[in-house]
Amino acid sequence: QVQLVESGGGVVQPGGSLRLSCAASGFTFSSYGMHWVRQAPGKGLEWVAFIRYDGSNKYYADSVKGRFTISRDNSKNTLYLQMNSLRAEDTAVYYCAKDISGWSHDAFDIWGQGTMVTVSS
Amino acid sequence: SSELTQDPAVSVALGQTVRITCQGDSLRSYYASWYQQKPGQAPVLVIYGKNNRPSGIPDRFSGSSSGNTASLTITGAQAEDEADYYCNSRDSSGNQGVFGGGTKLTVL
Repeated sequence: QVQLVESGGGVVQPGGSLRLSCAASGFTFSSYGMHWVRQAPGKGLEWVAFIRYDGSNKYYADSVKGRFTISRDNSKNTLYLQMNSLRAEDTAVYYCAKDISGWSHDAFDIWGQGTMVTVSS
Repeated sequence: SSELTQDPAVSVALGQTVRITCQGDSLRSYYASWYQQKPGQAPVLVIYGKNNRPSGIPDRFSGSSSGNTASLTITGAQAEDEADYYCNSRDSSGNQGVFGGGTKLTVL
């Protein structure tokens, strides 16, 4: 079945780094744009980053620009989020989500279960 | 980036109709999509584009848009519709995504 499974979350100190992965199955991963979305404890959803189907363009929220990098390996059906210079305010559940489009930010029709990232000393 | 504004909370009597709204300048250029999130679960897409429902979403959910406001309407709300609802769209540049702050729907 169509599925996204995130991994790589954990506890990291401020200033540290973490890489999240999102394994896709059940659909043609290389045809669709992919997003990362996060949700701080008790808060709303925040869009983080988007990558086009072929990795040709990447877009970031202002809050993570210059610190986070989204990438994908279509041969492995996997999406990544490299997070550097982590701050306490990055503490959240991180979801990967599939776009209905390959090219543009339209809507997220498939979501993973999320992985928790905690930034704390 | 631009913002999307939602009412924090809305209530509706069982079986009645409720409209949840989302306001933002970027909605004059881009469609909103709507997500339902229940406690401890990942969000679920309920409406996208002009008024499209993914497979499995009941037809009591519908969407509309006028000017800078997008709306999600639930006609005949059910107890299982009690959840948080978020709108999403692009910002005015078209390059960044943005979510509304969310609306907590209570079904009385």
